[in-house]
Amino acid sequence: NAGVTQTPKFQVLKTGQSMTLQCAQDMNHEYMSWYRQDPGMGLRLIHYSVGAGITDQGEVPNGYNVSRSTTEDFPLRLLSAAPSQTSVYFCASSYYKETDTQYFGPGTRLTVL
Amino acid sequence: SQQGEEDPQALSIQEGENATMNCSYKTSINNLQWYRQNSGRGLVHLILIRSNEREKHSGRLRVTLDTSKKSSSLLITASRAADTASYFCATDKGTSGSRLTFGEGTQLTVNP
Repeated sequence: NAGVTQTPKFQVLKTGQSMTLQCAQDMNHEYMSWYRQDPGMGLRLIHYSVGAGITDQGEVPNGYNVSRSTTEDFPLRLLSAAPSQTSVYFCASSYYKETDTQYFGPGTRLTVL
Repeated sequence: SQQGEEDPQALSIQEGENATMNCSYKTSINNLQWYRQNSGRGLVHLILIRSNEREKHSGRLRVTLDTSKKSSSLLITASRAADTASYFCATDKGTSGSRLTFGEGTQLTVNP
């Protein structure tokens, strides 16, 4: 199993640009989520999904969209990038719910100029 | 504020020594998990301890949970340079819709 994969590993955007961070898992997990990690702020939940076709907002959803058309994929879209979105983004999955053991992807380091 | 808070923020030890990291939380929990993050990588799950457990072991890792003090500790015995990483605790309250809340982590450096 590849586990949780994320692409790209690094990305530089200009303010106002849009892009999609890709996330896929091959463990047949129902629950998937996106976090951002910033120095001194720990991990903060952006959006999550409890199954295909179901998504919901986390702690810091503004400026981001998600969709879950399949069990495997959970892309994160930045609609109009802002410097405040400079961060490291992690996708994670677990069997059924957020409080199960989380399996994390390797992360995407995003810089918005 | 974060439900789980790690202490110390940073810890530097010599190879072969034991490393102890602590996590305190504010409200009652259902489970507490410890994760490790190597530099530039995603978090990796280490161990989960339930609120009705007091101690769990996994290899060189020993986790204790004291619900009366609302705290947990992670002990790494006979540390190695490869243990250099950040260590995070994550708690959940066990109620419906409960969130998993991560602390800000302890940065452990093991010097060879």
